[in-house]
Amino acid sequence: AQTVTQSQPEMSVQEAETVTLSCTYDTSESDYYLFWYKQPPSRQMILVIRQEAYKQQNATENRFSVNFQKAAKSFSLKISDSQLGDAAMYFCAYRPRYNQGGKLIFGQGTELSVKP
Amino acid sequence: DAGVTQSPTHLIKTRGQQVTLRCSPKSGHDTVSWYQQALGQGPQFIFQYYEEEERQRGNFPDRFSGHQFPNYSSELNVNALLLGDSALYLCASSNRGEKETQYFGPGTRLLVL
Repeated sequence: AQTVTQSQPEMSVQEAETVTLSCTYDTSESDYYLFWYKQPPSRQMILVIRQEAYKQQNATENRFSVNFQKAAKSFSLKISDSQLGDAAMYFCAYRPRYNQGGKLIFGQGTELSVKP
Repeated sequence: DAGVTQSPTHLIKTRGQQVTLRCSPKSGHDTVSWYQQALGQGPQFIFQYYEEEERQRGNFPDRFSGHQFPNYSSELNVNALLLGDSALYLCASSNRGEKETQYFGPGTRLLVL
């Protein structure tokens, strides 16, 4: 079975500093997508960044970047220059590239707080 | 460009009742997926609709059913509500295809008393 694990239920970072959120996954597939979603208290799930497993280059989106280690099945999210608006629940998610209807498998989430 | 919309935002029902939740996909999207998110948990996949048919289903009982209309909007129906059905129900839309990325609506908070 495919699973996603986020081992850090809570993380805290000082404003303007850098924080890394961890995610590991288990799959027998060789080709898949990985995502980080952010869910603020407003509840809306917002896509932060996406990684295609067949690409070796780590994805980046402004202050957000990932460290994708395919052999280790690890997919961490680094947030640089943290801002108060980054405070939210962060979910790591996995989806096989082919077929399976696009079902997303989510981790349990990491709640990030940002201290001013 | 409107994103994914869901209605209602909140709903209170009693055990045994039936509920219908609605979702309109983002403009240009043809696929709708539904997820259940219990408090403090990650979302769990319920099912996905494409071309008005259920294409994939998660581990949810038959009490959970859905429908997709010709304009791609979708409904989630839950019959014989249980206390454990209390959750945030999220709708996500996407374009069919291997590179699809799912975009989520704001959710419907269902409370079953």
